[in-house]
Amino acid sequence: ELKVEQNPLFLSMQEGKNYTIYCNYSTTSDRLYWYRQDPGKSLESLFVLLSNGAVKQEGRLMASLDTKARLSTLHITAAVHDLSATYFCAVAWNNDMRFGAGTRLTVKP
Amino acid sequence: DTGVSQNPRHKITKRGQNVTFRCDPISEHNRLYWYRQTLGQGPEFLTYFQNEAQLEKSRLLSDRFSAERPKGSFSTLEIQRTEQGDSAMYLCASSLVGGWGYTFGSGTRLTVV
Repeated sequence: ELKVEQNPLFLSMQEGKNYTIYCNYSTTSDRLYWYRQDPGKSLESLFVLLSNGAVKQEGRLMASLDTKARLSTLHITAAVHDLSATYFCAVAWNNDMRFGAGTRLTVKP
Repeated sequence: DTGVSQNPRHKITKRGQNVTFRCDPISEHNRLYWYRQTLGQGPEFLTYFQNEAQLEKSRLLSDRFSAERPKGSFSTLEIQRTEQGDSAMYLCASSLVGGWGYTFGSGTRLTVV
C-alpha cells in the first residue's frame, strides 16, 4: 500500500521568508500532484510533476520531483499572507491518487 | 461546462438516517472518483468509476456505503444508517482515461448529529 508523508504538518512563517515543504512516498509512481486548499473549500490544482527532475514554478511557488528518492518539494519564496492555506501532495497510485496529510501554512505579517 | 458539480453542499442528518449525494462530472470525463476528507486530514480514496463500471473500492467503503454511476454520467454516493464517524467532506473528482489532470468538485459536507 502506498504511503505518502508530508512534513512539516504545520508551518508558521513570516512574510518575506523562504521555506520548503517535503513530500515522501513509499512506492514508485509516475506522477505527483500538489494542491492548495483554503478553509471550507475544495482542492485547487497547483502542479503536476510527470518525470524525474521535473521542476515547475508559478509565482512564489516552485515544485520539484526526484523519483529515485521518492521525494517532492514545494518551495515558497518570499512568502505573502495570501499563501496561507493547506497544501497537499498526492501521488498517482493504480488509477487514482493518494494524498498526504497536508501542510497547514500560516504566513504572518 | 462549469466543472464538477456536487449537491448538496451541506447536509445535516440524524444518526441512523440514510443520505445520498450527487456528483456531476465534467461531461467528457469518463473517470469519476469519490474521496472522503475529515477535519485536518488529507482526502482518502473511496472508490472510482470508469464510465459506468465501478473498478475499485477502498476498504474504507463499508457495506453501509454504496456508489453508482448509471449510464456513465452523474454518480451518487449513498450512506445508509449514518454514524457520527461519517461526518466529513465528501469530494468528487473527474478525469479522462489516460489523462493526468483531475478536477475536484466543491464537496458535500456531511454532519451527523
